[in-house]
Amino acid sequence: EVQLLESGGGLEQPGGSLRLSCAASGFIFSSYAMTWVRQAPGKGLEWVSGISGSGGSIFYADSVKGRFTISRDNSKNTLYLQMNSLRADDTAVYYCAKGAGSTSWYQDSWGQGTLVTVSS
Amino acid sequence: DIQMTQSPSSLSASVGDRVTITCRASQDISNYLAWFQQKPGKIPNLLIYAASTLQSGVPSRFSGSGSGTHFTLTISSLQPEDVATYYCQKYNSAPGTFGQGTKVEIK
Repeated sequence: EVQLLESGGGLEQPGGSLRLSCAASGFIFSSYAMTWVRQAPGKGLEWVSGISGSGGSIFYADSVKGRFTISRDNSKNTLYLQMNSLRADDTAVYYCAKGAGSTSWYQDSWGQGTLVTVSS
Repeated sequence: DIQMTQSPSSLSASVGDRVTITCRASQDISNYLAWFQQKPGKIPNLLIYAASTLQSGVPSRFSGSGSGTHFTLTISSLQPEDVATYYCQKYNSAPGTFGQGTKVEIK
């Protein structure tokens, strides 16, 4: 059974930084692309960033480019999202999601999410 | 980037009704289109990928069609447990942009 467990969310001030982690189990982690998707309160889904299974291909939404960095450690089955220069509009639940293949950008399994609140 | 537009943004239908949601891409995405269901307070759940392939475990009353720029999700007979927001997502290339969502309620 695929399990994705996010951690690292919380309250941060504008301009601050947070690092999200996603511990994966139940599948061969290095064989699948991974994605971060966020959902602001009462709003829709927003694709934030994706990384291929090998880590060799990385993509970002324009809204986070230059501020967020996605990475993965295939030896630890863990996905990361380093979030810098946080803004109020980054406030959202951040979901870690598994791709359907090594370079597949739709998600067939989702974690429960971690809430990030950016406020002074 | 390719934009995804869903219509309607919300709908209300009776139990047993046939419901159709439309998703349009701003450029040709072939059949690289997925549909998700998100029930209130829950995480998203994959319903359909490759525009028309039903994900394992999804009830057969859900179906998808389309290719290129025009896609539809159909619920053949709406059930109370189908109350949710539905999202399309293109995935021919990153970013995997989502539509804005369609909220489905029971009349």
